[in-house]
Amino acid sequence: SQTIHQWPATLVQPVGSPLSLECTVEGTSNPNLYWYRQAAGRGLQLLFYSVGIGQISSEVPQNLSASRPQDRQFILSSKKLLLSDSGFYLCAWSTWEGGETQYFGPGTRLLVL
Amino acid sequence: GQSLEQPSEVTAVEGAIVQINCTYQTSGFYGLSWYQQHDGGAPTFLSYNALDGLEETGRFSSFLSRSDSYGYLLLQELQMKDSASYFCAVRDGYGQNFVFGPGTRLSVLP
Repeated sequence: SQTIHQWPATLVQPVGSPLSLECTVEGTSNPNLYWYRQAAGRGLQLLFYSVGIGQISSEVPQNLSASRPQDRQFILSSKKLLLSDSGFYLCAWSTWEGGETQYFGPGTRLLVL
Repeated sequence: GQSLEQPSEVTAVEGAIVQINCTYQTSGFYGLSWYQQHDGGAPTFLSYNALDGLEETGRFSSFLSRSDSYGYLLLQELQMKDSASYFCAVRDGYGQNFVFGPGTRLSVLP
């Protein structure tokens, strides 16, 4: 069966510090991978998605970046965090064969102070 | 681009039936998905409609009308554990990214 991991679960970082969030998927090959951000009580904002190694599409301009160094690994980074980067970060995967279903990881709650 | 609209909040009592509506504007429409998210948790997939009509899965059903660009999620025999946010979603055009609605917060009262 497929599993998606995200870490850390919670993170408190000062403004201006760097960020690295990691997501890995097990039990599937060549998944489509996604990073979303969710503000408290709000909907899901797609940040990045990737259909293959080294292929990253960005949905919104921001100080965040994403990388996919391996087939089942997706990393979200920032060189200098802003207060507005606080939120709930969710990684998700889907497959071309799986149609419209997305499977979400447990998320990382980031608080920038 | 894609856009979806949902009511922001719905309240109902245990045992009742509630309908959560979703209207969408998209290009290259494939179908409409529904997700449930409890407070502090991750979204989980509930259902998907590619064709017009009603799809039933236990207490939950989902309906789609492609001609009206409209769908809804129907929850029957409501339970306290159904209190959560519910999101509709579509695929963005012909790509592999998805667009989610703003979410509907369902509160089930005893």
